[in-house]
Amino acid sequence: KAGVTQTPRYLIKTRGQQVTLSCSPISGHRSVSWYQQTPGQGLQFLFEYFSETQRNKGNFPGRFSGRQFSNSRSEMNVSTLELGDSALYLCASSLGLAGVGGETQYFGPGTRLLVL
Amino acid sequence: AQSVAQPEDQVNVAEGNPLTVKCTYSVSGNPYLFWYVQYPNRGLQFLLKYITGDNLVKGSYGFEAEFNKSQTSFHLKKPSALVSDSALYFCAVRRGGYSTLTFGKGTMLLVSP
Repeated sequence: KAGVTQTPRYLIKTRGQQVTLSCSPISGHRSVSWYQQTPGQGLQFLFEYFSETQRNKGNFPGRFSGRQFSNSRSEMNVSTLELGDSALYLCASSLGLAGVGGETQYFGPGTRLLVL
Repeated sequence: AQSVAQPEDQVNVAEGNPLTVKCTYSVSGNPYLFWYVQYPNRGLQFLLKYITGDNLVKGSYGFEAEFNKSQTSFHLKKPSALVSDSALYFCAVRRGGYSTLTFGKGTMLLVSP
């Protein structure tokens, strides 16, 4: 089975622009979660989508949004980019709801975003 | 609230020696514990998890972890380290019910030849 794929892998944007990142989960997985990874803050949860519905949201401003399509693919959008948004954005998929018990999340390679 | 502590930023070990990467957690109720590894410019790879049952969990690439409820620890171990094990290791915890996965800050493992 193919793993989680994310596109693009690298992205350079300038402040004020917006960006859309894409994630394709493992076939059959219905949950997609997004995380931001930075050297200072580590791994921080952004949101989880399951069956096209946002199930949980982390402590991020409204500039960060996402959606999930009927084929479970997900996109994340960041509007009005700030320098502090530079990070590795990781997508993870799971068979069931990611937030339940022993459900295992499988991560993609990430999209590295640099905001200048 | 739930939290994870990885007390060592870096662990150095010689190839062939046993390795231990430490993790302690705080969570209400029964914990669900995970270990992931991250290689440079890559995402996180799942190694193993503890749900219930046997306190010694075996995972991928020869890694295992020991769950200790009284010490609230879940240390990652491997009997014989390889240079290729050098990477960033993350411990994560989730409580029962529905909750997010909380990650530790990560421990860099460096295995010298």
